[in-house]
Amino acid sequence: QSALTQPPSASGSPGQSVTISCTGISSDVGDYNYVSWYQQHPGKAPKLMIYEVSKRPSGVPDRFSGSKSGNTASLTVSGLQAEDEADYYCSSYAGSLVFGGGTKLTVL
Amino acid sequence: EVQLVESGGGLVQPGGSLRLSCAASGFTVSSNYMSWVRQAPGKGLEWVSVIYSGGSTYYADSVKGRFTISRDNPKNTLYLQMNSLRAEDTAVYYCARDRWLFWYFDLWGRGTLVTVSS
Repeated sequence: QSALTQPPSASGSPGQSVTISCTGISSDVGDYNYVSWYQQHPGKAPKLMIYEVSKRPSGVPDRFSGSKSGNTASLTVSGLQAEDEADYYCSSYAGSLVFGGGTKLTVL
Repeated sequence: EVQLVESGGGLVQPGGSLRLSCAASGFTVSSNYMSWVRQAPGKGLEWVSVIYSGGSTYYADSVKGRFTISRDNPKNTLYLQMNSLRAEDTAVYYCARDRWLFWYFDLWGRGTLVTVSS
């Protein structure tokens, strides 16, 4: 199973909104609502930010939101803050679990 | 406190073996779907293996036949036995919890580094 496709980088200024895409194929992102997003700071374990496409775990700010259209899922971070600077990974079920290659989000 | 703590990583020669452990506290490993996920240095995440609450096990093609996932219920610990190790297995190995088999991980350990090199 191939990895999901994410842009390698994204950036925005504090207070702005940024959207990160995650493109798969019909047999993963397109067929299942098991899309998740993880935030990872350098040297740290990943942290769940979004699950089942658009649900937020308790404790995750509502500045983080998820959506899906066809074979592409998206993570939007609104009201960017300095602490949002991190790597972000999407994942989807596709018979097994596949991850995207990751997007480095820079807060300018 | 609900947490996962991995151990057992280290330096091993190509072709060698290593067993990773993941000790859980605050919840029961056998009631959840537990996975191993790895991350090569400077690279992205890669799912490795899962053990279902019922005991079924599944593996990524890249490790099938070489790695074995298991658990010790009384010790509330997850394991990953890694044999025939290759340089490309070098990574930080994380254990992670999936409560409902909805294929998302709400709890991760801090990881343990495995380096395969001569």
